[in-house]
Amino acid sequence: QLQLQESGPGLVKPSETLSLTCTVSGGSISSNNYYWGWIRQPPGKGLEWIGDIHYSGNSYYKPSLKSRVTISVDTSKNQFSLKLRSVTATDTAVYFCTRRRSGAAPDHWGQGTLVTVSS
Amino acid sequence: QSALTQPPSASGSPGQSVTISCTGTSSDVGGYNYVSWYQQHPGKVPKVMIFEVSKRPSGVPDRFSGSKSGNTASLTVSGLQAEDEADYYCISYAGINNWVFGGGTKLTVL
Repeated sequence: QLQLQESGPGLVKPSETLSLTCTVSGGSISSNNYYWGWIRQPPGKGLEWIGDIHYSGNSYYKPSLKSRVTISVDTSKNQFSLKLRSVTATDTAVYFCTRRRSGAAPDHWGQGTLVTVSS
Repeated sequence: QSALTQPPSASGSPGQSVTISCTGTSSDVGGYNYVSWYQQHPGKVPKVMIFEVSKRPSGVPDRFSGSKSGNTASLTVSGLQAEDEADYYCISYAGINNWVFGGGTKLTVL
């Protein structure tokens, strides 16, 4: 059974870079039919799609975040990662890693990890 | 790319039906049949209830149904049960490998 697990610091200082990794188990990240991505949810608020990546390296981002976001994939480790630069308090959220089939919305989610931006 | 519009709240009594709307534009909801609905209980991971406008994943009760007309998609929950009380989010493909969520609707079972 496919499982996704987020990992990374739970506290990041303002203006620094938020870095998270998602480890995929129970399936290969190198499948042509899937995209691996990130969604976040600020405390008490709604869901926001951040972006996703195909194992080939093609990545796609929410336009308003594109200048600060990089999603990368490491097929040798069956992992993919998120980097969000120049963070502020508004980037405080639970970050979920996800998998979606080509042409479909995410159907597999990690448990989520809370990242707080604070000095 | 603006968020899709959902009513902040909806409610119904056990056994009743409730419909939640999700309004976008011709660039997202109206332009593609790639609308999904998620159910999220407090502190839990969102669960897909409907995908591709009206399809149900295996294991989702047939009390949940989806539809679309123009730029508005809808989720209908029939025969409301206490466990249906949750937040519901729509998401739509918005072109060029972009996706956009609705703001979410809190469903209360009275």
